[in-house]
Amino acid sequence: DTAVSQTPKYLVTQMGNDKSIKCEQNLGHDTMYWYKQDSKKFLKIMFSYNNKELIINETVPNRFSPKSPDKAHLNLHINSLELGDSAVYFCASSQEQGHQPQHFGDGTRLSIL
Amino acid sequence: QKEVEQNSGPLSVPEGAIASLNCTYSDRVSQSFFWYRQYSGKSPELIMSIYSNGDKEDGRFTAQLNKASQYVSLLIRDSQPSDSATYLCAVRLTGGGNKLTFGTGTQLKVEL
Repeated sequence: DTAVSQTPKYLVTQMGNDKSIKCEQNLGHDTMYWYKQDSKKFLKIMFSYNNKELIINETVPNRFSPKSPDKAHLNLHINSLELGDSAVYFCASSQEQGHQPQHFGDGTRLSIL
Repeated sequence: QKEVEQNSGPLSVPEGAIASLNCTYSDRVSQSFFWYRQYSGKSPELIMSIYSNGDKEDGRFTAQLNKASQYVSLLIRDSQPSDSATYLCAVRLTGGGNKLTFGTGTQLKVEL
C-alpha cells in the first residue's frame, strides 16, 4: 500500500525519558513534515524537511530533534519528555512544487505519565 | 487575529441537508487552500483543494474560494451521518516552504 506510515501508534512513557517516533513514506514525495495536535485538536507544524534538508523549524523546544536519513524517512527524537509533550504527533509528506496537498500518517499518541 | 479562523461548532444538520463550513484567512499572499476531514482518533484526510477563485465540485463536495474577501468554504450536499467529523481548513502561503497553516476545525454532526 502506498502510504505514510509511522511507528509506534501509541507511546506511553515516564517524564524525563527519551523517545523516538519513526516515519516513512513510499509516495515518492520530496518533502516530509512533523505536526503536533494538542488536546484541543489544534494541528501545528513543527518541522519540515525537503530532500533531507531542514526547511521549516517552528518555535519548538531544543528537546525535539528531527532526523532525515533520506527523503523517504523523517524521524523525531524527543529528549527529557515533559507532561506538556502529551499529544498526537502526525507525520505528513508532499511534493514541494506546485499546489500539492499533504498526506498524513495515522499519528502517534504520546502520553507522558 | 488568528491566521486561519473557523467556527468550532458543533454544526448540526439533518441528514440530506446541505452543510456549509466556512473559513477565513488573514494573509493575502495565501495561494493554496485545502479542506481535510478528521474523524475522532484518526488522521486528517484530504477532501478538497482549491487554488483559483470560484467553485470547485467533486461529488457531494463543493469548495468555494474568494481571495478578495479572504474566504474559503466547503459545501456538503445530501449530508450523511458518515460525514460527521471535524473539518479542518488549511492554507498555504507562496514561498512558505509548503507550510500549511490549519484552522482549529469545525465539528459537523449530521443527525438522522
